[in-house]
Amino acid sequence: RKEVEQDPGPFNVPEGATVAFNCTYSNSASQSFFWYRQDCRKEPKLLMSVYSSGNEDGRFTAQLNRASQYISLLIRDSKLSDSATYLCVVNMRDTGTASKLTFGTGTRLQVTL
Amino acid sequence: DADVTQTPRNRITKTGKRIMLECSQTKGHDRMYWYRQDPGLGLRLIYYSFDVKDINKGEISDGYSVSRQAQAKFSLSLESAIPNQTALYFCATSDWTGETDTQYFGPGTRLTVL
Repeated sequence: RKEVEQDPGPFNVPEGATVAFNCTYSNSASQSFFWYRQDCRKEPKLLMSVYSSGNEDGRFTAQLNRASQYISLLIRDSKLSDSATYLCVVNMRDTGTASKLTFGTGTRLQVTL
Repeated sequence: DADVTQTPRNRITKTGKRIMLECSQTKGHDRMYWYRQDPGLGLRLIYYSFDVKDINKGEISDGYSVSRQAQAKFSLSLESAIPNQTALYFCATSDWTGETDTQYFGPGTRLTVL
């Protein structure tokens, strides 16, 4: 089983739609969680951190369910510019202050007119 | 100017050649990382360094070596390149706050080994 699993998609949605991505992680000791966005042939960039209480940034809402070990990202009112691959990232702290980021393979979103 | 830069951006080489990929950062972060990205496999950690004197292997370090020449510079070497090292390579930096470790990526180096 992969440490971080995502549906690869693609998710094809019309502009204005709401779309949700889920991600599951296998290590219950995971400590922090993120969504990164990666445009085609570009570097990943942090979209948002995911907090236990859930958090929102404009049209984006991230939620964490520790009991079920999954993370979600909701995008409302999709824009063409949201088309990208969304990477689920989990930080599992090793001994001391060492930490290890594990990346999902990403979910591709294509927003169309 | 970009905070994390990588050189070269693209490189085509032949099997058996030695290749060095370079990474520089102006963010002042102590932590630096090298990843490779392959279709369907996501980003995988090759090596990481928490300061100039600290180098650690990641999950796929075989066939690679690194050098942390200064806080701002972290280079990745392929001593004898092979075709399955064809991939997109990313350097990243992070600033550990005690709670979170957000990573900032360079633009990537596309390496093709023939």
